[in-house]
Amino acid sequence: GAGVSQTPSNKVTEKGKYVELRCDPISGHTALYWYRQSLGQGPEFLIYFQGTGAADDSGLPNDRFFAVRPEGSVSTLKIQRTERGDSAVYLCASSLSGGAGETQYFGPGTRLLVL
Amino acid sequence: GESVGLHLPTLSVQEGDNSIINCAYSNSASDYFIWYKQESGKGPQFIIDIRSNMDKRQGQRVTVLLNKTVKHLSLQIAATQPGDSAVYFCAENTGGFKTIFGAGTRLFVKA
Repeated sequence: GAGVSQTPSNKVTEKGKYVELRCDPISGHTALYWYRQSLGQGPEFLIYFQGTGAADDSGLPNDRFFAVRPEGSVSTLKIQRTERGDSAVYLCASSLSGGAGETQYFGPGTRLLVL
Repeated sequence: GESVGLHLPTLSVQEGDNSIINCAYSNSASDYFIWYKQESGKGPQFIIDIRSNMDKRQGQRVTVLLNKTVKHLSLQIAATQPGDSAVYFCAENTGGFKTIFGAGTRLFVKA
């Protein structure tokens, strides 16, 4: 089936604005992950969902960041009062059940630029 | 498009040669390791993995070596092709879902 998809592919916004980034995981995958990748860096973990619940949100940098997955499939990462330092590629990944050692399949990412 | 990793360590190899990309990991409790390939404008793509109870694993044209004593991981690519040009990340996992990525190495393949 289709892989992980993310929309939009690119997002340009102004400092202080609110943005939403969407992730469609692979059908049937219960585990969903959000990462942030800055230029020249590896992806950094933000949050992990098991079904509808956030099992670990320890990577979210501050309370301006929030993510939901209300029906256990599509997830939305929400960023309030964006800052220039939020500019990065936001990656979503999914895996079958979130077990240890499971392969995570990544989407193409959303490139966020905050002016 | 945007290029991932403008200031990453770089390895340049001739097409047809073998490539070796090295990685040092930090957590001695990590028990699962993964190599990802990331092309410009795309998300990381799984290449090969290895568990801590092994020291070598082979795939198609790729081999991963794990040295737990010195916390070192390497990825060997045989007969490197232009399509192998990308940024390569090693990642470690401590038995749960959280995967920690290294900084990455950019591989250039010269035709």
